[in-house]
Amino acid sequence: RKEVEQDPGPFNVPEGATVAFNCTYSNSASQSFFWYRQDCRKEPKLLMSVYSSGNEDGRFTAQLNRASQYISLLIRDSKLSDSATYLCVVNRGGKLIFGQGTELSVKP
Amino acid sequence: DAGVIQSPRHEVTEMGQEVTLRCKPISGHDYLFWYRQTMMRGLELLIYFNNNVPIDDSGMPEDRFSAKMPNASFSTLKIQPSEPRDSAVYFCASRPQGAGETQYFGPGTRLLVL
Repeated sequence: RKEVEQDPGPFNVPEGATVAFNCTYSNSASQSFFWYRQDCRKEPKLLMSVYSSGNEDGRFTAQLNRASQYISLLIRDSKLSDSATYLCVVNRGGKLIFGQGTELSVKP
Repeated sequence: DAGVIQSPRHEVTEMGQEVTLRCKPISGHDYLFWYRQTMMRGLELLIYFNNNVPIDDSGMPEDRFSAKMPNASFSTLKIQPSEPRDSAVYFCASRPQGAGETQYFGPGTRLLVL
């Protein structure tokens, strides 16, 4: 079993839809949590950190449940430009552990 | 500002050849990471350095892989001899000390071993 597990997707949604990604992690020693975005044939880039209290950045909302070891990302009013792979990432002892990623395709 | 620089961007080689990948981290960054990404295994950490010293190389797949960081502005990842299963995208990333865990990735080197 992988240390960070995500829905593999792909998620195909129309513009304007709301889409949610889920992620679970197995190591309770994980210290901090992130969502990265990776465009096709590009490098991963930090999208946002994830805090226990939940945090929002425009159309993006991230949630963390430490008890359940569960992380989520909600994208509202999705845009064509949101099409990418979304990587769930945990920091354990200074090392970033990446999930396999969930592919999102937003269609007109 | 210059980001993380990697070279070459693409490499095609034959099985058994030596491959050297290069990375220049962002100036002032104390940490440097090497990752490998494949469809099957996703993004995996191979090794990371702090102030040019290797800290954790537990992700290096086998003795054919080696990494060095002779100074703060340069690192290499070498595969000798290369095998077809080494075909992947290799990313280098860096971050400053105390900046949380935000890592800045280079554009990657696409390696194909025939």
